[in-house]
Amino acid sequence: EDKVVQSPLSLVVHEGDTVTLNCSYEVTNFRSLLWYKQEKKAPTFLFMLTSSGIEKKSGRLSSILDKKELFSILNITATQTGDSAVYLCAGYYGGSQGNLIFGKGTKLSVKP
Amino acid sequence: NAGVTQTPKFQVLKTGQSMTLQCAQDMNHEYMSWYRQDPGMGLRLIHYSVGAGITDQGEVPNGYNVSRSTTEDFPLRLLSAAPSQTSVYFCASSRRGISGTEAFFGQGTRLTVV
Repeated sequence: EDKVVQSPLSLVVHEGDTVTLNCSYEVTNFRSLLWYKQEKKAPTFLFMLTSSGIEKKSGRLSSILDKKELFSILNITATQTGDSAVYLCAGYYGGSQGNLIFGKGTKLSVKP
Repeated sequence: NAGVTQTPKFQVLKTGQSMTLQCAQDMNHEYMSWYRQDPGMGLRLIHYSVGAGITDQGEVPNGYNVSRSTTEDFPLRLLSAAPSQTSVYFCASSRRGISGTEAFFGQGTRLTVV
């Protein structure tokens, strides 16, 4: 059965800390892994990773994919209270009707 | 650009009632999907469509119907609402892509069935 597992499920840190969020996957016909940030409403796109070992960065956020070990990490450095959100990881499986399988998310709380 | 628009934002139904959640996108995306999000469960796929006239079931399709008569619209119908369908529903759209593409989400519909 295809699945995406995120850990930890919740995390509380203080401003300025660095955090690492984990995502492992078992997805048939895997094509890519996507990270989303969800605050109060709709998930918003962060990264899409298709190749192993190539880091993607956006400001204080970065992510990397390991297709051999079937996992990805999302790093956030110098956290701010605005980083508080649920971070969702999703595996995209291809084929003619490719779609996303989501993990349960990691709830990050950043305290001042 | 409006992106993905969902209506209504909130809805309360009585058990057994039917209703349609509306979803429209203006990005000419081929793929559209409906997800439900329950506490601690992440997003689970209900139904999806790879183009006008083509729909298929996702992980949790029971109790829901969809149709896709145009590229822009992808309504989700609850046939006979049950309390287990209390959830937040998200519609998403994306371009066709061999390796996957970014999915754009609507703002969600919070549905309560009493």
